[in-house]
Amino acid sequence: DVKVTQSSRYLVKRTGEKVFLECVQDMDHENMFWYRQDPGLGLRLIYFSYDVKMKEKGDIPEGYSVSREKKERFSLILESASTNQTSMYLCASSLEVAGGTGYEQYFGPGTRLTVT
Amino acid sequence: DAKTTQPPSMDCAEGRAANLPCNHSTISGNEYVYWYRQIHSQGPQYIIHGLKNNETNEMASLIITEDRKSSTLILPHATLRDTAVYYCIVEGSGGSNYKLTFGKGTLLTVNP
Repeated sequence: DVKVTQSSRYLVKRTGEKVFLECVQDMDHENMFWYRQDPGLGLRLIYFSYDVKMKEKGDIPEGYSVSREKKERFSLILESASTNQTSMYLCASSLEVAGGTGYEQYFGPGTRLTVT
Repeated sequence: DAKTTQPPSMDCAEGRAANLPCNHSTISGNEYVYWYRQIHSQGPQYIIHGLKNNETNEMASLIITEDRKSSTLILPHATLRDTAVYYCIVEGSGGSNYKLTFGKGTLLTVNP
């Protein structure tokens, strides 16, 4: 079974703190994703990585950065946390297959981040 | 504009088949139909996908009409743990970042 793990299920941070969210997948997938999910707004893509050290901005990258130093690990960094970054953060991974079936994504359990 | 239309909610008795419909009348030739579900407070879970042929795996079956304008996800023997929001998603091949766009989905409630 594909396993995507996230470092924390719940996290509480203060405004202005630097926050690291870690994600690890064990299936040798090329693609990794960070989404956030908010009521009424659905899932929104923050960043996408298609290879080690490669990244692409999603729909809402402002206030976030990412790091992918190893294939299995994709980190999301909130440079200076703000209250509007309170959300559920979801990491996912997928295999790169010719024909574009990278939409078969496997999600972690999520990290519920509260910024006070 | 939403690519798919799903009923907001459905009920199913435990042990019976759950048939979840999805309309995607504007689907184009290179677009796949994907199904995900999300159990409360968990991450979304991939279920199945198909292009034009019917598909079956250990979780569910996917029936796509011949004109590809609609599909049905079938959970053959629903259990209480299948209570979740089910999302039907249409995406094409060769996307630049494989962003999944979840609509409102169908809340399936399996009753004892």
